[in-house]
Amino acid sequence: DSGVTQTPKHLITATGQRVTLRCSPRSGDLSVYWYQQSLDQGLQFLIQYYNGEERAKGNILERFSAQQFPDLHSELNLSSLELGDSALYFCASSVIPVDDTQYFGPGTRLTVL
Amino acid sequence: GNSVTQMEGPVTLSEEAFLTINCTYTATGYPSLFWYVQYPGEGLQLLLKATKADDKGSNKGFEATYRKETTSFHLEKGSVQVSDSAVYFCALSGRDSSYKLIFGSGTRLLVRP
Repeated sequence: DSGVTQTPKHLITATGQRVTLRCSPRSGDLSVYWYQQSLDQGLQFLIQYYNGEERAKGNILERFSAQQFPDLHSELNLSSLELGDSALYFCASSVIPVDDTQYFGPGTRLTVL
Repeated sequence: GNSVTQMEGPVTLSEEAFLTINCTYTATGYPSLFWYVQYPGEGLQLLLKATKADDKGSNKGFEATYRKETTSFHLEKGSVQVSDSAVYFCALSGRDSSYKLIFGSGTRLLVRP
């Protein structure tokens, strides 16, 4: 158990809908990262938050957004969903800059029908 | 930009065979290097890491040495078990402002009894 929790584990929805994925980092970790894992794109970095502020953006679509709350949990919002958004979404946390090791949650499997 | 290249899989071995999974990287500066493992239906687990040249990371019988001269971080294990069957990902953190991870494409390992 990495100490990072993600909910829900599975999500099935229809095209055009909006969903919210939730992540709680390990105790003491200020930095949260979101990644997408798909068969065609592999593991891709989406976005990072550090202590409530956006730190870096990767290949994140404009339909996607995220935030980190004062209690350090984070949410990834996906809107106007398309079939191609079906993927596994991982959250990770770390205690940078002291240690850049990222610990991953179990992931949320999103299926868009 | 930074990138990671892994050998294509799947790699199929008999139990107790020697394992090597090749990983090379391109990066500016001095990245941290990681191996993560993903068992079927599960999230990413940190297997080992190295943060500077000539460091050797090791865990559960797996080893990898950070070779700056060849920009490589090959994963090795002397005697694999059926339970090692999984997908292995090599990754780097550029230790820039975000510390985001850049992953290789993953190598599936299948160990037969």
